[in-house]
Amino acid sequence: EIVLTQSPGTLSLSPGERATLSCRASQTVGNNYFAWFQQKPGQAPRLLIYDASTRATGIPDRFSGSGTGTDFTLTISRLEPEDFAVYYCQQYASSPRTFGQGTKVEIK
Amino acid sequence: EVQLVESGGGLVQPGRSLRLSCTASGFTFGDYAISWVRQAPGKGLEWIGFIRNKAHGGTPESAATVKGRFTVSRDDSKSIAYLQMNSLNIEDTAVYFCTRDSGWLHSYWGQGTLVTVSS
Repeated sequence: EIVLTQSPGTLSLSPGERATLSCRASQTVGNNYFAWFQQKPGQAPRLLIYDASTRATGIPDRFSGSGTGTDFTLTISRLEPEDFAVYYCQQYASSPRTFGQGTKVEIK
Repeated sequence: EVQLVESGGGLVQPGRSLRLSCTASGFTFGDYAISWVRQAPGKGLEWIGFIRNKAHGGTPESAATVKGRFTVSRDDSKSIAYLQMNSLNIEDTAVYFCTRDSGWLHSYWGQGTLVTVSS
């Protein structure tokens, strides 16, 4: 099983700042089958990024994903008020599909 | 518009069974695999199982944590996927989401249904 470790656990930033979220995998994620999800309280997760760097339909270009192998990054170039949420990484290259434990982006 | 609506959640006693439904609309249900993902209160996300589409055999697969207790099935004629949960325990308390999978990617999610296991 591929274990995903996200850092930091919490990120305290102000609107307009840049957010950098990291996720490290315990093994190489094949084909860069790696995704990022955003979840707000009481809502279902929303797909942001797939295949490590492809934005999902309707996702603003301030969200970008990068990385390969075992190290992946989600960057939010300028935080908007609606971006404060919890973010999860996930690998879907091998079974079982696994998620990171989440990074909370909170308003400073 | 792709829609997934979970139902069947509620309060259940430890050791009992429950069946959740995921009713889909807005796409050709039979063309896609469907997964179930759960989230315990205040915790992260856990993939617990899926069922392949007919073109890939229509077979289910469950995570080790629920194997032997939880089974995913589907009725393509009704555009519904099911999660049969047996021998429930307190640790199964969670919101259960169904997802439409593109390959193994959870591309669309329902809003979830809460299952509470308690005596």
